[in-house]
Amino acid sequence: EVQLVESGGGLVKPGGSLRLSCAASGFTFSDFDMSWVRQAPGKGLEWVSSIRSRGGYINHSDSLKGRFTISRDNSKNSLYLQMNSLTVEDTAVYYCARRYYDWLFQRNHWYFDHWGRGSLVTVSS
Amino acid sequence: NFMLTQPHSVSESPGKTVTLSCTRSSGSIASNYVQWYQQRPGSSPIIVIYDDNQRPSGIPDRFSGSIDSSSNSASLTISGLKTEDEADYYCQSYDSTNYWVFGGGTKLTVL
Repeated sequence: EVQLVESGGGLVKPGGSLRLSCAASGFTFSDFDMSWVRQAPGKGLEWVSSIRSRGGYINHSDSLKGRFTISRDNSKNSLYLQMNSLTVEDTAVYYCARRYYDWLFQRNHWYFDHWGRGSLVTVSS
Repeated sequence: NFMLTQPHSVSESPGKTVTLSCTRSSGSIASNYVQWYQQRPGSSPIIVIYDDNQRPSGIPDRFSGSIDSSSNSASLTISGLKTEDEADYYCQSYDSTNYWVFGGGTKLTVL
């Protein structure tokens, strides 16, 4: 069974930093592109960052202004999100999500087939 | 980059059919596939439609998707509404720079 378990969330002051982790199990982690998606309280989904299966290609939402960095350690089946210079607008549940890969046609699809339960990050003084 | 606009809320009665819309602000809706996610309160999103109109295994055929180039929009249609369909629904696509784009979501109330 595919499992994605986020950790590392919590309360942090404005201007502070936090590192989220996502532990993956039940599949070959190094075969899949991974992403972070966040959801502010009572708001919609917002894509944050994505990283290719081998880590060779990374992209981040422009709205982050270079404050967040996604990374992965395939030897540990783990995905990370380093968040710096946090503001109250970064308060959200942060989800780890797996991009669907079609093995039959050997291609990635543009959707997330598995999501974690999320990790709440609260930025407040 | 483009935006995906969804109505804030829609309500319909059990057993009826409802159609949720998702309008692309610029560029053709047909240029990039559209996906739909369902998010029940307190739960993570799940995919219900991908590649405009494909259903993942386990999603009932009451859920269907389509695109309309004339209105530059995508639609999610749910027939035979059940109370369990009450949820937030998000459309999602992507752009040429490999950015993922989500719509603002529609709250579906089944009453």
